[in-house]
Amino acid sequence: GAVVSQHPSWVICKSGTSVKIECRSLDFQATTMFWYRQFPKQSLMLMATSNEGSKATYEQGVEKDKFLINHASLTLSTLTVTSAHPEDSSFYICSAIQGGSNQPQHFGDGTRLSIL
Amino acid sequence: SQQGEEDPQALSIQEGENATMNCSYKTSINNLQWYRQNSGRGLVHLILIRSNEREKHSGRLRVTLDTSKKSSSLLITASRAADTASYFCATAYSGGYNKLIFGAGTRLAVHP
Repeated sequence: GAVVSQHPSWVICKSGTSVKIECRSLDFQATTMFWYRQFPKQSLMLMATSNEGSKATYEQGVEKDKFLINHASLTLSTLTVTSAHPEDSSFYICSAIQGGSNQPQHFGDGTRLSIL
Repeated sequence: SQQGEEDPQALSIQEGENATMNCSYKTSINNLQWYRQNSGRGLVHLILIRSNEREKHSGRLRVTLDTSKKSSSLLITASRAADTASYFCATAYSGGYNKLIFGAGTRLAVHP
């Protein structure tokens, strides 16, 4: 149980393109979803927290107009990287939590984004 | 900024040996979690230990938590080549609404 699906797994696109990444909880309702960014051989950096039906909360230094997050249902959150540039190339990972305290996060398999 | 610090950064051992990874953090926590990440993949949850717990086991995994020292350790016993991965501790800090702060991670290599 507690499966999170993330798509696409790999994206290569030209600079200036907007890219949408989907994160779905397949067998549970996710009250909260999280979006992380990970550079090679580094740890995960939290970008934003997404609660269903409300605006996402962004971490300090993360541009909300650059990284648009929508959490329209209890099973789907999307991250759109707008007008992507080479410096946005990274590994993006989502996670979802079923709610309540002391619960683990369930992670998607990540999206490798490469901007040419 | 990252709250957790882990050591060692990298660990190389032979199959059958035990692997110990340590994690330290800075603020009050609700729980501490350990995750595993294979190269280029997402994270897999291993163990969650609450702030009022001192030790937890799951199969070959043993996690300890010392809140007075703000530290935790993950022990993998009788390691296997398939245990090769990066291991991260993550803290759910008090008042953080289930947000996790990840440590830098330990890259474990288990050689056959």
